[in-house]
Amino acid sequence: AQSVTQLGSHVSVSEGALVLLRCNYSSSVPPYLFWYVQYPNQGLQLLLKYTSAATLVKGINGFEAEFKKSETSFHLTKPSAHMSDAAEYFCAVGSSGSARQLTFGSGTQLTVLP
Amino acid sequence: KAGVTQTPRYLIKTRGQQVTLSCSPISGHRSVSWYQQTPGQGLQFLFEYFSETQRNKGNFPGRFSGRQFSNSRSEMNVSTLELGDSALYLCASSPRDRSDEQYFGPGTRLTVT
Repeated sequence: AQSVTQLGSHVSVSEGALVLLRCNYSSSVPPYLFWYVQYPNQGLQLLLKYTSAATLVKGINGFEAEFKKSETSFHLTKPSAHMSDAAEYFCAVGSSGSARQLTFGSGTQLTVLP
Repeated sequence: KAGVTQTPRYLIKTRGQQVTLSCSPISGHRSVSWYQQTPGQGLQFLFEYFSETQRNKGNFPGRFSGRQFSNSRSEMNVSTLELGDSALYLCASSPRDRSDEQYFGPGTRLTVT
């Protein structure tokens, strides 16, 4: 069974600082890997997804993630945090049978300090 | 295009009752998935429907059921509600050409008292 571990349930960064949210997965290869963001009282929005075409994936709002097979990691980064980035971020892995049967990590709440 | 819509947005039910939640996918999307989100268990997959057929089911008791109609709209039903069923229920739809992507609705907040 797939599993996803997100290190750090809460991360605080200053505005303009680097954002790094960590995700490690356990899955068969090739994995379906995703990052979603959830703003208060809203559903989830897809930030980016891993495709086998590239290990560095660019998403919306300046976020990107790097797939490292040797480390089974898919960490999310953004060079410069903005106040509007404050939200909860979820890493997810699709099952081998269906990319749409997602197993989510426990989430990381990102706080951006002025 | 309009996004995924879910009705109702908020619902309060009493233990033992049953509830039906509705989801209308993005126009043209034929796959619909349901997830439960709780503070304790996080986000958990309930089931997925495609062309009126259940494709996958998560590890939930039989009290949780769903269906999909010919217009791709989906409903999920929870019978004999328990306090632990209080959660945000999220529906997501997927396009055929990027079937690994899911687009989520705002959810239905169910409170069981």
